[in-house]
Amino acid sequence: GAVVSQHPSWVICKSGTSVKIECRSLDFQATTMFWYRQFPKQSLMLMATSNEGSKATYEQGVEKDKFLINHASLTLSTLTVTSAHPEDSSFYICSAAGGTSAYNEQFFGPGTRLTVL
Amino acid sequence: AQSVTQLGSHVSVSEGALVLLRCNYSSSVPPYLFWYVQYPNQGLQLLLKYTSAATLVKGINGFEAEFKKSETSFHLTKPSAHMSDAAEYFCAVTISGGYNKLIFGAGTRLAVHP
Repeated sequence: GAVVSQHPSWVICKSGTSVKIECRSLDFQATTMFWYRQFPKQSLMLMATSNEGSKATYEQGVEKDKFLINHASLTLSTLTVTSAHPEDSSFYICSAAGGTSAYNEQFFGPGTRLTVL
Repeated sequence: AQSVTQLGSHVSVSEGALVLLRCNYSSSVPPYLFWYVQYPNQGLQLLLKYTSAATLVKGINGFEAEFKKSETSFHLTKPSAHMSDAAEYFCAVTISGGYNKLIFGAGTRLAVHP
């Protein structure tokens, strides 16, 4: 199957700082990437959908100015959490779709654990 | 709009016993259905998918699921549980026509005890 990586796998930052998370499709071209967040013992919540070269589409209730998404190439999307606060602490997971996917299949990254102090 | 309901947030079975994780969906158009597994602090791994072909779908690690349109169900089963099956399982739905977003169920935590 297709491989998606995320970097970093975990990050700890101080309140008020910004954090960038990278999502890469390693062996296929991802025309669409998705960003999810997952709170402990909960399901995945879709934050936004990004198509290469276009502005991301955010889900209702997700602040686009706080969670900046860039999908500048077919293999890389980034999520920047700006002015992070403790309530932004969560597990962030990206997924990518494209290449030979034929059935809307998304390939998931391993996730990034963000802790804001 | 599509939705997914997973009955039972926690399921506990003995090693070697049958595993049954329930998933019911709601969709106004023919759905695509997925089961994913998540181990602690990891991303999601696809177990199997239904994409309007065979209604009985076999996946990895001995899991299978049957699409039943009349019951709007897509339950996940495994004949004999293994300790390594302990994890969180998510059912998800989407519809055909491009890379539409997945709608996830709340998840079911499977515990396997000796």
